[in-house]
Amino acid sequence: DAKTTQPNSMESNEEEPVHLPCNHSTISGTDYIHWYRQLPSQGPEYVIHGLTSNVNNRMASLAIAEDRKSSTLILHRATLRDAAVYYCILKGAGGTSYGKLTFGQGTILTVHP
Amino acid sequence: ETGVTQSPTHLIKTRGQQVTLRCSSQSGHNTVSWYQQALGQGPQFIFQYYREEENGRGNFPPRFSGLQFPNYSSELNVNALELDDSALYLCASSSIKTGSNGYTFGSGTRLTVV
Repeated sequence: DAKTTQPNSMESNEEEPVHLPCNHSTISGTDYIHWYRQLPSQGPEYVIHGLTSNVNNRMASLAIAEDRKSSTLILHRATLRDAAVYYCILKGAGGTSYGKLTFGQGTILTVHP
Repeated sequence: ETGVTQSPTHLIKTRGQQVTLRCSSQSGHNTVSWYQQALGQGPQFIFQYYREEENGRGNFPPRFSGLQFPNYSSELNVNALELDDSALYLCASSSIKTGSNGYTFGSGTRLTVV
């Protein structure tokens, strides 16, 4: 499985933007870039995903590098409820890897009031 | 729309016993996956079911088995429990038909093996 690399932890202040980086230099052409987050005592929550183009939804934006070897999850205005572990995941599109999410250690995001 | 529900929320078992964990998929979802999350680690993929058949498996021994039912609910069975099986077990559902690539996770079952 292609691997992702994320910083172990990041900190932000409430109402400020947060940029969470992810490196995935061995990404294949058919791998989607997914982001999930996990709040304490809960299961992971889908945030956003993309293939090549930048993506926006109500939760966040995903900026994908032109060579697809890195991406950045952008939370436009962090709130205390955004404090969580954020996982950057490469999801295979076919074969036996279809549907399999390979989680790494993730980035622990701390949001200060 | 209902989310993914898992039962029980907590469970304590003795080494060597067998356990069955249950999951109800989100309405409209036809694919279910199971994950094991040890304390302080990211979830690890166990297997996935689609149309009541396993169609993907992670690096877990055969004593981890599953079922998916016609209503898309699912079970995870673990035989001959070991102490290292203590973990949070997560169920996730998605829909291949709609093309959605996002998975909806339940809150998990916390299994403790003593």
